[in-house]
Amino acid sequence: DAKTTQPNSMESNEEEPVHLPCNHSTISGTDYIHWYRQLPSQGPEYVIHGLTSNVNNRMASLAIAEDRKSSTLILHRATLRDAAVYYCIPLIYNQGGKLIFGQGTELSVKP
Amino acid sequence: DAGVIQSPRHEVTEMGQEVTLRCKPISGHNSLFWYRQTMMRGLELLIYFNNNVPIDDSGMPEDRFSAKMPNASFSTLKIQPSEPRDSAVYFCASSGRTWKSEAFFGQGTRLTVV
Repeated sequence: DAKTTQPNSMESNEEEPVHLPCNHSTISGTDYIHWYRQLPSQGPEYVIHGLTSNVNNRMASLAIAEDRKSSTLILHRATLRDAAVYYCIPLIYNQGGKLIFGQGTELSVKP
Repeated sequence: DAGVIQSPRHEVTEMGQEVTLRCKPISGHNSLFWYRQTMMRGLELLIYFNNNVPIDDSGMPEDRFSAKMPNASFSTLKIQPSEPRDSAVYFCASSGRTWKSEAFFGQGTRLTVV
């Protein structure tokens, strides 16, 4: 399985942008990069995914490095509700969507 | 759709008793996953099914754990006999037609074995 490295924790101020980095240097060419987050006392929820190009959705943007060895999840304006643990997960080609969670980054948002 | 539904939400049982956790995936999804979460070990994948067939159960901790998926709308995770170290939050998740589809998680079952 591809290994990921994320900072254990990050802090942000409310209404400011947040850039959450992830290194996945052993990812293969067909593996998608998925991001999930887990709010306190809830199950993980899907945030965004991509393969090579940068991606945007209503929750966030995903910037993928050209060599695909790293990616950055961007929350454009952090809110208090974005305080969560964020997980970067390479989705291995044709393994049935199996998600292997690492330790993730715990994001705290200050008012 | 109501999302992935797990029951019960909370379970307290005595050591040695049998525990059964239940999951109803989202209709139309063909992959189902069981996870366990503890402070020490984080989120661990226990087993996953594709089209009701167990594909990978390498994460099941030992023979006391078993999982079934008798049809596309129901799965169970059973622990027999339960031990205090099984105390954790157990999540069920389902995902759609392709291997790269996003997964949807239930609210989890908090299991406490005393």
